[in-house]
Amino acid sequence: NAGVTQTPKFRILKIGQSMTLQCTQDMNHNYMYWYRQDPGMGLKLIYYSVGAGITDKGEVPNGYNVSRSTTEDFPLRLELAAPSQTSVYFCASSLSVGIGASNEQFFGPGTRLTVL
Amino acid sequence: QKEVEQNSGPLSVPEGAIASLNCTYSDRGSQSFFWYRQYSGKSPELIMSIYSNGDKEDGRFTAQLNKASQYVSLLIRDSQPSDSATYLCAVNSGANNLFFGTGTRLTVIP
Repeated sequence: NAGVTQTPKFRILKIGQSMTLQCTQDMNHNYMYWYRQDPGMGLKLIYYSVGAGITDKGEVPNGYNVSRSTTEDFPLRLELAAPSQTSVYFCASSLSVGIGASNEQFFGPGTRLTVL
Repeated sequence: QKEVEQNSGPLSVPEGAIASLNCTYSDRGSQSFFWYRQYSGKSPELIMSIYSNGDKEDGRFTAQLNKASQYVSLLIRDSQPSDSATYLCAVNSGANNLFFGTGTRLTVIP
């Protein structure tokens, strides 16, 4: 099991450019999440998905879009990059929600994005 | 707004000592509680989960939960330099996402 994988590891964008951050998990988890982490801060939820074809907004969704066409993949799209989107982006997955081990979230290695 | 509060530190302890990390949360309906360890430049790694009041031990780690006080803590016994990291407290209120604290930076001094 590779777990949760993310590409790219690093990226520099110019203001107004677009890009897609890729996330794949091979654990057959139903739930997937995108977080951003700014320096010295905790993680903020951007979007999440409870299964293929179903996505919903988290705490900080503005400027981002997602899709979930398969159980394995959950890409995050930035349409018009802004300096405020400079951050480290983490993808995570869990089997389900509710009390118990099945709701533990496992994280990918992250993508460090800089917008200049 | 559901809040999770942690002392940002840094917390410094000598090698072999007990490190105590604390977290409070605002949502009384919270059901699941997690401690993640994050090394600099790396992703969060789950080290403990706790769901009911009391203590839960796993090796050198003990998580403590007090729902009445809305308080969860992590004790690290026999602290090692390799324990030096930022520890994130995360709380799930039964919905589909976790709320994270800003983390406590722990340094274990050899």
